[in-house]
Amino acid sequence: GDSVTQMEGPVTLSEEAFLTINCTYTATGYPSLFWYVQYPGEGLQLLLKATKADDKGSNKGFEATYRKETTSFHLEKGSVQVSDSAVYFCALSDRTTGGGNKLTFGTGTQLKVEL
Amino acid sequence: AAGVIQSPRHLIKEKRETATLKCYPIPRHDTVYWYQQGPGQDPQFLISFYEKMQSDKGSIPDRFSAQQFSDYHSELNMSSLELGDSALYFCASSLGFAGVTDTQYFGPGTRLTVL
Repeated sequence: GDSVTQMEGPVTLSEEAFLTINCTYTATGYPSLFWYVQYPGEGLQLLLKATKADDKGSNKGFEATYRKETTSFHLEKGSVQVSDSAVYFCALSDRTTGGGNKLTFGTGTQLKVEL
Repeated sequence: AAGVIQSPRHLIKEKRETATLKCYPIPRHDTVYWYQQGPGQDPQFLISFYEKMQSDKGSIPDRFSAQQFSDYHSELNMSSLELGDSALYFCASSLGFAGVTDTQYFGPGTRLTVL
Protein backbone atom coordinates (compact mmCIF):
# COMPACT_ATOMS: atom_id res chain seq x y z
CA GLY A 1 0.00 0.00 0.00
CA ASP A 2 0.87 3.66 -0.12
CA SER A 3 3.13 5.10 2.55
CA VAL A 4 4.95 8.30 3.45
CA THR A 5 8.18 8.54 5.42
CA GLN A 6 9.40 11.83 6.79
CA MET A 7 12.30 12.77 8.98
CA GLU A 8 11.75 12.53 12.66
CA GLY A 9 11.62 15.57 14.83
CA PRO A 10 11.73 17.63 16.75
CA VAL A 11 13.83 19.95 14.64
CA THR A 12 15.13 23.04 16.44
CA LEU A 13 16.52 25.94 14.43
CA SER A 14 17.55 29.50 15.04
CA GLU A 15 15.61 32.25 13.32
CA GLU A 16 16.76 32.89 9.74
CA ALA A 17 18.28 29.41 9.45
CA PHE A 18 17.69 27.19 6.41
CA LEU A 19 15.09 24.47 6.77
CA THR A 20 14.87 21.08 5.11
CA ILE A 21 12.36 18.42 6.10
CA ASN A 22 12.82 15.22 4.14
CA CYS A 23 9.88 13.27 2.79
CA THR A 24 9.87 10.13 0.65
CA TYR A 25 6.91 8.13 -0.51
CA THR A 26 5.87 4.73 -1.82
CA ALA A 27 2.89 4.52 -4.13
CA THR A 28 1.67 2.02 -6.69
CA GLY A 29 0.19 4.72 -8.90
CA TYR A 30 0.97 8.32 -9.72
CA PRO A 31 0.14 10.31 -6.58
CA SER A 32 -0.36 13.96 -5.82
CA LEU A 33 1.87 15.20 -3.02
CA PHE A 34 1.11 17.68 -0.26
CA TRP A 35 2.59 19.44 2.73
CA TYR A 36 0.18 20.35 5.52
CA VAL A 37 1.04 22.41 8.59
CA GLN A 38 -0.57 22.12 12.01
CA TYR A 39 -0.13 24.92 14.53
CA PRO A 40 -0.64 24.10 18.21
CA GLY A 41 -4.27 23.40 19.00
CA GLU A 42 -5.39 23.98 15.42
CA GLY A 43 -6.42 21.99 12.37
CA LEU A 44 -4.42 21.08 9.30
CA GLN A 45 -3.68 23.82 6.80
CA LEU A 46 -2.58 23.11 3.25
CA LEU A 47 0.87 24.60 2.78
CA LEU A 48 1.67 23.54 -0.78
CA LYS A 49 1.10 20.76 -3.29
CA ALA A 50 2.39 19.22 -6.52
CA THR A 51 0.48 16.95 -8.84
CA LYS A 52 3.08 15.71 -11.31
CA ALA A 53 6.78 15.03 -11.63
CA ASP A 54 9.09 18.06 -11.52
CA ASP A 55 6.27 20.31 -10.32
CA LYS A 56 7.37 22.76 -7.64
CA GLY A 57 4.87 23.77 -5.02
CA SER A 58 5.52 27.00 -3.14
CA ASN A 59 3.81 29.14 -0.53
CA LYS A 60 4.89 31.60 2.16
CA GLY A 61 8.57 31.07 1.34
CA PHE A 62 8.29 27.26 1.54
CA GLU A 63 9.06 25.11 -1.50
CA ALA A 64 8.97 21.44 -2.43
CA THR A 65 9.68 19.72 -5.74
CA TYR A 66 8.03 16.46 -6.84
CA ARG A 67 10.94 14.13 -7.67
CA LYS A 68 9.62 10.95 -9.25
CA GLU A 69 13.08 9.44 -9.76
CA THR A 70 13.86 9.61 -6.04
CA THR A 71 10.22 9.40 -4.88
CA SER A 72 10.77 12.46 -2.73
CA PHE A 73 9.05 15.74 -1.86
CA HIS A 74 11.39 17.53 0.54
CA LEU A 75 10.20 20.75 2.14
CA GLU A 76 12.60 23.73 2.18
CA LYS A 77 12.61 27.30 3.38
CA GLY A 78 15.51 29.67 3.08
CA SER A 79 14.98 31.63 6.29
CA VAL A 80 12.66 30.40 9.02
CA GLN A 81 10.84 32.60 11.50
CA VAL A 82 9.61 31.93 15.01
CA SER A 83 6.07 31.96 13.60
CA ASP A 84 6.93 28.88 11.49
CA SER A 85 7.04 26.74 14.63
CA ALA A 86 4.49 23.98 14.02
CA VAL A 87 4.15 20.34 13.01
CA TYR A 88 4.61 19.66 9.31
CA PHE A 89 2.97 16.66 7.62
CA CYS A 90 3.90 15.27 4.24
CA ALA A 91 1.00 13.46 2.55
CA LEU A 92 -0.05 11.82 -0.69
CA SER A 93 -3.28 10.95 -2.42
CA ASP A 94 -3.41 8.45 -5.23
CA ARG A 95 -6.48 8.39 -7.46
CA THR A 96 -4.81 6.44 -10.21
CA THR A 97 -5.17 3.11 -8.45
CA GLY A 98 -8.89 3.53 -7.83
CA GLY A 99 -8.40 4.02 -4.13
CA GLY A 100 -10.13 7.35 -3.99
CA ASN A 101 -8.62 10.56 -2.78
CA LYS A 102 -7.83 9.62 0.77
CA LEU A 103 -4.70 11.19 2.17
CA THR A 104 -1.91 9.06 3.54
CA PHE A 105 0.19 11.05 5.98
CA GLY A 106 3.71 10.80 7.27
CA THR A 107 4.26 10.85 11.00
CA GLY A 108 4.80 14.61 11.13
CA THR A 109 7.90 16.66 11.95
CA GLN A 110 7.77 19.16 14.75
CA LEU A 111 9.68 22.35 14.01
CA LYS A 112 10.71 24.77 16.74
CA VAL A 113 12.33 28.05 15.75
CA GLU A 114 14.13 30.04 18.43
CA LEU A 115 15.32 33.63 18.51
CA ALA B 1 -13.40 32.66 2.27
CA ALA B 2 -15.69 30.12 3.83
CA GLY B 3 -13.99 27.16 5.43
CA VAL B 4 -14.98 23.73 6.66
CA ILE B 5 -17.07 23.94 9.82
CA GLN B 6 -17.09 21.24 12.45
CA SER B 7 -19.24 20.98 15.51
CA PRO B 8 -18.87 20.63 18.34
CA ARG B 9 -15.28 21.72 18.80
CA HIS B 10 -14.94 19.83 22.05
CA LEU B 11 -16.90 16.87 23.36
CA ILE B 12 -16.57 14.92 26.57
CA LYS B 13 -18.31 11.55 26.88
CA GLU B 14 -18.32 8.58 29.21
CA LYS B 15 -17.40 5.06 28.13
CA ARG B 16 -20.18 3.23 26.31
CA GLU B 17 -21.96 6.47 25.43
CA THR B 18 -22.64 7.68 21.88
CA ALA B 19 -21.40 10.78 20.09
CA THR B 20 -22.32 12.56 16.88
CA LEU B 21 -19.86 14.81 15.10
CA LYS B 22 -20.98 17.16 12.36
CA CYS B 23 -19.15 18.57 9.36
CA TYR B 24 -20.23 21.32 6.98
CA PRO B 25 -18.04 21.40 3.87
CA ILE B 26 -16.91 24.43 1.94
CA PRO B 27 -19.80 25.64 -0.27
CA ARG B 28 -19.97 23.72 -3.59
CA HIS B 29 -17.67 21.00 -2.32
CA ASP B 30 -19.30 17.63 -2.88
CA THR B 31 -16.81 15.31 -1.21
CA VAL B 32 -16.25 14.87 2.51
CA TYR B 33 -13.54 12.93 4.33
CA TRP B 34 -13.19 11.97 7.99
CA TYR B 35 -9.84 11.46 9.73
CA GLN B 36 -8.88 10.51 13.27
CA GLN B 37 -5.72 11.87 14.89
CA GLY B 38 -4.61 10.30 18.15
CA PRO B 39 -2.28 12.17 20.52
CA GLY B 40 1.07 12.69 18.83
CA GLN B 41 -0.04 10.66 15.82
CA ASP B 42 -0.58 11.39 12.15
CA PRO B 43 -4.17 11.61 10.91
CA GLN B 44 -5.69 8.28 9.86
CA PHE B 45 -8.35 8.11 7.17
CA LEU B 46 -11.72 6.79 8.34
CA ILE B 47 -14.27 7.21 5.55
CA SER B 48 -15.28 9.45 2.66
CA PHE B 49 -18.41 10.38 0.76
CA TYR B 50 -19.02 11.72 -2.73
CA GLU B 51 -22.43 12.96 -3.74
CA LYS B 52 -23.99 11.37 -0.65
CA MET B 53 -22.56 7.93 -1.40
CA GLN B 54 -19.74 6.27 0.48
CA SER B 55 -16.70 6.49 -1.78
CA ASP B 56 -13.93 4.93 0.30
CA LYS B 57 -13.46 3.30 3.65
CA GLY B 58 -10.41 3.14 5.84
CA SER B 59 -9.75 2.00 9.36
CA ILE B 60 -13.17 2.88 10.74
CA PRO B 61 -14.43 0.68 13.58
CA ASP B 62 -17.75 -1.10 13.12
CA ARG B 63 -19.05 0.94 16.07
CA PHE B 64 -18.79 4.05 13.91
CA SER B 65 -21.05 5.01 11.05
CA ALA B 66 -21.30 8.07 8.88
CA GLN B 67 -23.41 9.58 6.16
CA GLN B 68 -23.60 12.58 3.90
CA PHE B 69 -26.87 14.44 3.55
CA SER B 70 -28.57 16.18 0.64
CA ASP B 71 -27.02 19.52 1.63
CA TYR B 72 -23.59 17.78 1.59
CA HIS B 73 -23.01 18.06 5.31
CA SER B 74 -21.83 14.89 6.97
CA GLU B 75 -22.23 13.30 10.38
CA LEU B 76 -20.00 10.75 12.09
CA ASN B 77 -21.87 8.64 14.62
CA MET B 78 -19.85 6.84 17.25
CA SER B 79 -21.40 4.29 19.60
CA SER B 80 -20.17 2.26 22.57
CA LEU B 81 -17.35 4.73 23.03
CA GLU B 82 -14.04 3.42 24.35
CA LEU B 83 -11.17 5.23 26.01
CA GLY B 84 -9.11 4.68 22.87
CA ASP B 85 -11.57 6.72 20.83
CA SER B 86 -10.25 9.87 22.50
CA ALA B 87 -8.73 11.80 19.61
CA LEU B 88 -9.02 14.79 17.34
CA TYR B 89 -11.49 14.11 14.53
CA PHE B 90 -11.01 16.08 11.36
CA CYS B 91 -13.35 16.58 8.50
CA ALA B 92 -12.03 17.68 5.13
CA SER B 93 -13.81 18.61 1.93
CA SER B 94 -12.86 18.77 -1.72
CA LEU B 95 -14.48 19.49 -5.04
CA GLY B 96 -14.94 16.48 -7.25
CA PHE B 97 -14.11 12.94 -6.26
CA ALA B 98 -12.78 12.01 -9.65
CA GLY B 99 -11.98 15.48 -10.86
CA VAL B 100 -8.73 17.25 -11.44
CA THR B 101 -8.88 19.18 -8.21
CA ASP B 102 -8.16 16.77 -5.39
CA THR B 103 -6.98 19.17 -2.71
CA GLN B 104 -8.60 18.55 0.63
CA TYR B 105 -9.33 21.44 2.97
CA PHE B 106 -9.55 20.62 6.63
CA GLY B 107 -11.81 21.85 9.36
CA PRO B 108 -10.54 22.81 12.83
CA GLY B 109 -11.40 19.40 14.24
CA THR B 110 -13.51 18.07 17.08
CA ARG B 111 -11.60 17.01 20.15
CA LEU B 112 -13.35 14.01 21.69
CA THR B 113 -12.43 12.96 25.20
CA VAL B 114 -13.82 9.68 26.52
CA LEU B 115 -13.69 9.28 30.30
